[in-house]
Amino acid sequence: EAGVAQSPRYKIIEKRQSVAFWCNPISGHATLYWYQQILGQGPKLLIQFQNNGVVDDSQLPKDRFSAERLKGVDSTLKIQPAKLEDSAVYLCASRTIRQGNEQFFGPGTRLTVL
Amino acid sequence: GNSVTQMEGPVTLSEEAFLTINCTYTATGYPSLFWYVQYPGEGLQLLLKATKADDKGSNKGFEATYRKETTSFHLEKGSVQVSDSAVYFCALSDKYGNKLVFGAGTILRVKS
Repeated sequence: EAGVAQSPRYKIIEKRQSVAFWCNPISGHATLYWYQQILGQGPKLLIQFQNNGVVDDSQLPKDRFSAERLKGVDSTLKIQPAKLEDSAVYLCASRTIRQGNEQFFGPGTRLTVL
Repeated sequence: GNSVTQMEGPVTLSEEAFLTINCTYTATGYPSLFWYVQYPGEGLQLLLKATKADDKGSNKGFEATYRKETTSFHLEKGSVQVSDSAVYFCALSDKYGNKLVFGAGTILRVKS
């Protein structure tokens, strides 16, 4: 079974530019999460989708971050405009109730904002 | 809100030494507890989990017991190997696997 796919793996941009990250969850996983992991810290949840609906976006900085999961499969996370403090690894994870409460993580996208 | 505190690293051990990484948590209700591992250049992988008090999670020689009375979930291994060098994260979720909250991570370095 293929794991969670993310692209790109690395991205370097200037501050105030825009960037988008893509995630393809494990097939059949209805729940999808985006996390932000700043260097030296644990991942922090940004947003949770159930199919194509948002369940929890309480920690998403909505003035600059947006995310969508239009067909309940792939998801895109966007930052516009980026700030220096957005430099981090952005992780996507997915889960299905058929496999209990484990979340499966992708390899992440490392973003550097200069 | 919910939170996880784990011992600061890096932890440096010689091969075959005993490992303990402490983890304590603050949570409402009945959380599930996890240890995730991140090997160099790789993504987060679930190492073990426990879903209720007194449960013991185990995998690859690692163990952790869900202690509700001390709100702890310490990770142990009797004999570490160089290949265990990684960052270890303690985490908790609600009973459905949502609202996953991570500790800051502990770097483990094992020397041969």
